[in-house]
This record gives sequence, C-alpha cells and structure tokens, in this order.
Amino acid sequence: DAKTTQPTSMDCAEGRAANLPCNHSTISGNEYVYWYRQIHSQGPQYIIHGLKNNETNEMASLIITEDRKSSTLILPHATLRDTAVYYCIVNSGGSNYKLTFGKGTLLTVNP
Amino acid sequence: ETGVTQTPRHLVMGMTNKKSLKCEQHLGHNAMYWYKQSAKKPLELMFVYNFKEQTENNSVPSRFSPECPNSSHLFLHLHTLQPEDSALYLCASSQSANTEAFFGQGTRLTVV
Repeated sequence: DAKTTQPTSMDCAEGRAANLPCNHSTISGNEYVYWYRQIHSQGPQYIIHGLKNNETNEMASLIITEDRKSSTLILPHATLRDTAVYYCIVNSGGSNYKLTFGKGTLLTVNP
Repeated sequence: ETGVTQTPRHLVMGMTNKKSLKCEQHLGHNAMYWYKQSAKKPLELMFVYNFKEQTENNSVPSRFSPECPNSSHLFLHLHTLQPEDSALYLCASSQSANTEAFFGQGTRLTVV
C-alpha cells in the first residue's frame, strides 16, 4: 500500500472550516483514500473514503486532486468535539483487508 | 456505538496470569482485526482474520494467541505478558477491503 504524509498537528478555530492535507504521491490506480479519526482513548472512527471523485457525507468532504497524489479532508464547521488525531490511509483493497495507520494529524479545535 | 463490542474495557493482569479479550460484531462483516496502540505510537496491526481464517500475523509474539471461532467473534488470549505489553487493544471489522472498518472502543490492558 502507498505511504501517506500528514502534518503532525494543526489548529483550527471553532466554527471555522478545518482543512487537513494528506500527500500520497505513490498511490496506484486501485487504491482508495480513507480518513479516520481517533478521539483520545477511544477507538478510531471512520469518516469518509474515495477513489477519484470528491466525496461528501454528513461528517466531512474529501477533495482528491486530479492526479490523485494528494487529498484534503474538510470539516466545514469544526467544533470542540472534533479535536482528535486524523489518519489518512491508502488501501489497495488487497486480499488481506488491512488498514495501516501512520502517525496522523492532531487537530486541535480552539474556542 | 459502532456495532463492534469489546470486553472487558479495562484489564489489569499480572505477568503470570492468563486472560482473554473478546470482540463481537453483528454487522455481517467477513474480516476482523486486532490492533495494538501503545502510548505515543501509531496503531499496530497484529492479526487479520478473513472468513474465520487467519490471513496475517504481523510478527506478533506467541504470548498473544488469537482465536476466531466464527465470523462474529474474535478473541485474543494472553499469557505470560510483559509490562511493555500494556496498551490499548482494538478490535475492528469490515465487510471487504473497499468498505470502511468499524472499531470497538478497545480494552485498556495494564500488565503489572
């Protein structure tokens, strides 16, 4: 599976949009981009995933560049409860069905 | 509530004890996983089960022994653990590689 690179930490003001970048320059054609988050001492929570097209759900939007080498997770109106570590994962969907988590980005939403 | 339930939530055990962690999902998923999360380290994949068969053992010491009796249940049997094995142990499941994984809340294990 391709490797991802994320900033170690980011800050965002409450009520503003949080834009979390992820680089995955070695992504291959059959690899999906997944985003998860982990609030302190809880299990990771799925947010969104995509292959080529931009995706939106009730939690967030995922913008994938045309060359698919990077993506941005957007939380449109961040709240204090969105403070968490956000993981960008590239998954080839191979037979092992595994997710490999990196260090992620610690997003801190400030009042 | 994600549909993946782990018990117990907290466990303290001595190095000579034998204990088991339990994970249960009724989501109809085919794949189940054990992850370990130590302090200030990324999540480490330990084991993968696909249709009840172990498909991956990520160089995990034999003092950790997984068991998958059916597609809904996954156990992690623990024996003669070390203090450095203290961590948050997470179970997850997914329908397939192209669908999202659902994680349990984890078992916080302390080895004394």
